[in-house]
Amino acid sequence: QSALTQPASVSGSPGQSITISCTGTSSDVGNYNRVSWYQQHPGKAPKLMIYNVSNRPSGVSTRFSGSKSGNSASLTISALQAEDEADYYCSSYTSSSTVVFGGGTKLTVL
Amino acid sequence: DVQLVESGGGLVQPGGSLRLSCVASGFPFSAYWMHWVRQAPGRGLMWVSRISTDGSTTTYADSVRGRFTISRDNARNTVYLQMNSLRAEDTAVYYCGRDLWSAADYWGRGTLVTASS
Repeated sequence: QSALTQPASVSGSPGQSITISCTGTSSDVGNYNRVSWYQQHPGKAPKLMIYNVSNRPSGVSTRFSGSKSGNSASLTISALQAEDEADYYCSSYTSSSTVVFGGGTKLTVL
Repeated sequence: DVQLVESGGGLVQPGGSLRLSCVASGFPFSAYWMHWVRQAPGRGLMWVSRISTDGSTTTYADSVRGRFTISRDNARNTVYLQMNSLRAEDTAVYYCGRDLWSAADYWGRGTLVTASS
């Protein structure tokens, strides 16, 4: 159960778009459309932003979008805002019927 | 409103045991799979375990399999995590989450478990 691979950090200026990548294998991301993305602010519980690769839960801004190609998935945040500064985690269902998370990406809004 | 409230965390010596509870409200608990996820201090999220609606199907991360047991009581709207043979590396905030296609759409605030002598 190796963790999915995410960049440690990304940054962008307000109004810009950023993309966070999440790389897995054919045993997880590549074989299932059960990739999800979470936002976590310091000291808070994670918040689900995307599920099933590209679906947004009710109440999540349309500025957040997800996609997948092969063994990699991506989260794109458009029109970046200061409040988007947080840690972001991807996760995927696996062929072992478990769930695996990425190591997390710290987003800095410059 | 959906609410998940974890409890049962605390300080335990390595090798000891703890049982965490997560009480759910605001949704039909028996219709949802449930997760436990943990986060060590300053570290990332790690999935721990998942249980089916009737408790008949459970899955675990390799690092806890054989030491942790997930269970549920649908009459009490509660999911449990029995943790045995605790190690220092099990120190973390433990969150329960409601399942949505293998994601967790609602989370509790977490309960801190510290395994230390």
